[in-house]
Amino acid sequence: KQEVTQIPAALSVPEGENLVLNCSFTDSAIYNLQWFRQDPGKGLTSLLLIQSSQREQTSGRLNASLDKSSGRSTLYIAASQPGDSATYLCAVSSGGSQGNLIFGKGTKLSVKP
Amino acid sequence: NAGVTQTPKFRILKIGQSMTLQCTQDMNHNYMYWYRQDPGMGLKLIYYSVGAGITDKGEVPNGYNVSRSTTEDFPLRLELAAPSQTSVYFCASSIYTDTQYFGPGTRLTVL
Repeated sequence: KQEVTQIPAALSVPEGENLVLNCSFTDSAIYNLQWFRQDPGKGLTSLLLIQSSQREQTSGRLNASLDKSSGRSTLYIAASQPGDSATYLCAVSSGGSQGNLIFGKGTKLSVKP
Repeated sequence: NAGVTQTPKFRILKIGQSMTLQCTQDMNHNYMYWYRQDPGMGLKLIYYSVGAGITDKGEVPNGYNVSRSTTEDFPLRLELAAPSQTSVYFCASSIYTDTQYFGPGTRLTVL
């Protein structure tokens, strides 16, 4: 059974720092991996999607990498800002044609001004 | 485009009551999903649909039912509500297995 783990559960950094969020999964037979952002009391916003054949994706200050063989993904945030404060969720597609996602519990990020 | 909309935003139910959570998307996505999120936990899949008339169970389907008569709508039915169904419910949609787009959620409390 696929399991997704995110470490750390919470992270506090000063504004301007570069940071890395980690995601690991137990079954390397994934279809894709997605990173989401969730603000308190809100829904999820998709940040990046990496297909299983890709190694990384970039969007602005965000860069996500995927190492399928080791079951790991990282989300790199450059020059963090207070507006980046949120919970970041990693999810893997469990394979097959349904697109069903298995989620980690998230990393709660706080960026201090 | 409104994207994915969910109603109601909040609801309190008594044990044994029933209700339907509504989900509508205007992006002409073929795949739709229902997830629940308990405090401090990741999301878990309840049901999903790969097209009108086609639905299937996810990881935690007990106590729920769904239907998909149109591409746009994917309602989730709770029968005989129980305290264990207190959660935040999210609907999502996608084009096949591409990026999933989420609604704002329905916060349900069963007392």
